[in-house]
Amino acid sequence: EAQVTQNPRYLITVTGKKLTVTCSQNMNHEYMSWYRQDPGLGLRQIYYSMNVEVTDKGDVPEGYKVSRKEKRNFPLILESPSPNQTSLYFCASKGQGEVPGELFFGEGSRLTVL
Amino acid sequence: SQKIEQNSEALNIQEGKTATLTCNYTNYSPAYLQWYRQDPGRGPVFLLLIRENEKEKRKERLKVTFDTTLKQSLFHITASQPADSATYLCALRRGGSQGNLIFGKGTKLSVKP
Repeated sequence: EAQVTQNPRYLITVTGKKLTVTCSQNMNHEYMSWYRQDPGLGLRQIYYSMNVEVTDKGDVPEGYKVSRKEKRNFPLILESPSPNQTSLYFCASKGQGEVPGELFFGEGSRLTVL
Repeated sequence: SQKIEQNSEALNIQEGKTATLTCNYTNYSPAYLQWYRQDPGRGPVFLLLIRENEKEKRKERLKVTFDTTLKQSLFHITASQPADSATYLCALRRGGSQGNLIFGKGTKLSVKP
């Protein structure tokens, strides 16, 4: 089954404790992206990657890092989480060859930073 | 800067009626526009894409129009059902990028039986 898998789905952590949210897709997609979704603000892009070893900032990259060492994985790293990073996070992927292709989203990771 | 606006945060309609959702954009000439459905606590799911040279696109009970003069897309659900209740998002390709999408804030549709 074609899917984007995020882990963990739910996480409560404390300020300053480094964490990584993993994202993996099994569709051989070149493009992957991270969004955060907050009430009243909608989906905002954090980082995206057009292919392996190619990443770029979205609209709200501060406080986040990403890496794309393999095509299927695109982890989101919070080096020193702060309460304003409490949010619902979504990873998404898309096949480059089908531009304009549909975005496939993961089920989301709800993060709470105390 | 580029802006996408979905005029209504929420829309309540009666079962069987047609729901019409609006997406407006400014400072932008997108090559295409997409609509997604999002259920509570779930990831958005792609519904339809319409290109700038297409006036209308249909898929079952869904219809999307795209007016590049008005800079507006309308999303219609005919014969609406309670199962259509969800948040609907429009998305446009970010100018100057290759397939990078930006999203409107969404319209929450509630269909009452």
